[in-house]
Amino acid sequence: ETGVTQTPRHLVMGMTNKKSLKCEQHLGHNAMYWYKQSAKKPLELMFVYNFKEQTENNSVPSRFSPECPNSSHLFLHLHTLQPEDSALYLCASSQEGLGGGYEQYFGPGTRLTVT
Amino acid sequence: GQNIDQPTEMTATEGAIVQINCTYQTSGFNGLFWYQQHAGEAPTFLSYNVLDGLEEKGRFSSFLSRSKGYSYLLLKELQMKDSASYLCAVMDSNYQLIWGAGTKLIIKP
Repeated sequence: ETGVTQTPRHLVMGMTNKKSLKCEQHLGHNAMYWYKQSAKKPLELMFVYNFKEQTENNSVPSRFSPECPNSSHLFLHLHTLQPEDSALYLCASSQEGLGGGYEQYFGPGTRLTVT
Repeated sequence: GQNIDQPTEMTATEGAIVQINCTYQTSGFNGLFWYQQHAGEAPTFLSYNVLDGLEEKGRFSSFLSRSKGYSYLLLKELQMKDSASYLCAVMDSNYQLIWGAGTKLIIKP
């Protein structure tokens, strides 16, 4: 149990569908992240929220839309995706402090397949 | 550009020792992390190095040389459950994690 949960664990969607991924952290952290993990590639940071404010958007296409209503919850809204968006989407959280960086705790991920 | 290099795959024998190397070139350095990821599961934190030298944690140790841009993860007394991918990540000057593609470690009986 890592303290970070994600739903759904698996998702198959067509290119015209709209769906949302949900992440919840039970660790009291103040930063949350969305990553994309494709086979044999480095983790790609998509979005960072710190104290509910988006601080990073790494040139992610607009068909991915994040939402962070509070410091415990993070959503990734998906619409008109492409087959190349099929990947494992990981959520993580950390406690950011002065001087930055502490270890990130990951959820189990959502395996997304776009057909 | 920023780059993290680690071998794609390694094979070792149960009970043996294996060393997984990681070299990096990043804009600044605020620490290096190692994570373990079993197939279909979340990455889990193993170690953090920010100063040069060796950090030991049970069967796992992590080494850092900042001048060489180099780290390794040493796994001793290998067990079958150590079969996993091992991810190296460096925190750059903006406190962003730059990730390697991971090393898949296969343990054979």
